[in-house]
Amino acid sequence: DAGITQSPRYKITETGRQVTLMCHQTWSHSYMFWYRQDLGHGLRLIYYSAAADITDKGEVPDGYVVSRSKTENFPLTLESATRSQTSVYFCASLRDRSNEKLFFGSGTQLSVL
Amino acid sequence: DQQVKQNSPSLSVQEGRISILNCDYTNSMFDYFLWYKKYPAEGPTFLISISSIKDKNEDGRFTVFLNKSAKHLSLHIVPSQPGDSAVYFCAASELPSPPYNNNDMRFGAGTRLTVKP
Repeated sequence: DAGITQSPRYKITETGRQVTLMCHQTWSHSYMFWYRQDLGHGLRLIYYSAAADITDKGEVPDGYVVSRSKTENFPLTLESATRSQTSVYFCASLRDRSNEKLFFGSGTQLSVL
Repeated sequence: DQQVKQNSPSLSVQEGRISILNCDYTNSMFDYFLWYKKYPAEGPTFLISISSIKDKNEDGRFTVFLNKSAKHLSLHIVPSQPGDSAVYFCAASELPSPPYNNNDMRFGAGTRLTVKP
């Protein structure tokens, strides 16, 4: 099915481990984003990408790494997970910058023990 | 530094009545505003938007009002239905100019709306 999909849906890991969250979209949207949702903070931007091989930091990038070798994929890696990175992570895509209407995936719930 | 604030974490209304969700912002450079709706275990979905050149935008039962001088926007849902029960996020952005290499969209913390039958 067309759309934006995230995997895994749920992930439990331990402090210090590396974790990669996957995001795949079938619309060929140029822009892709990673947000985290925490109680009391709403959605905060971690990283975004304007096109393949172009990425930039958002509001809360520390502890995260992204790559975008293909337009359709935008993985997010936690190089050494910390408890403060326990959160729900949403990937989103954007067709163009004329209306800022984001399309979100269903999210990955990550717990770092 | 929360540039977009939704001061009411929750709101409960009776079916058929009006729901009013509020949002305040501090950055006067914001010129595009959006509302997203989020059901449990799903990602947010776009609901309605408004640009700063307008003070009202309507789409069916949903109307967004913008008061730029007060840096305030609100979402009205009339009539409210049980299926509207969800978390509503307000978002604000500076519409970028080419080469589109910045992103200043900010989200509020969300308001959980419960519509009782």
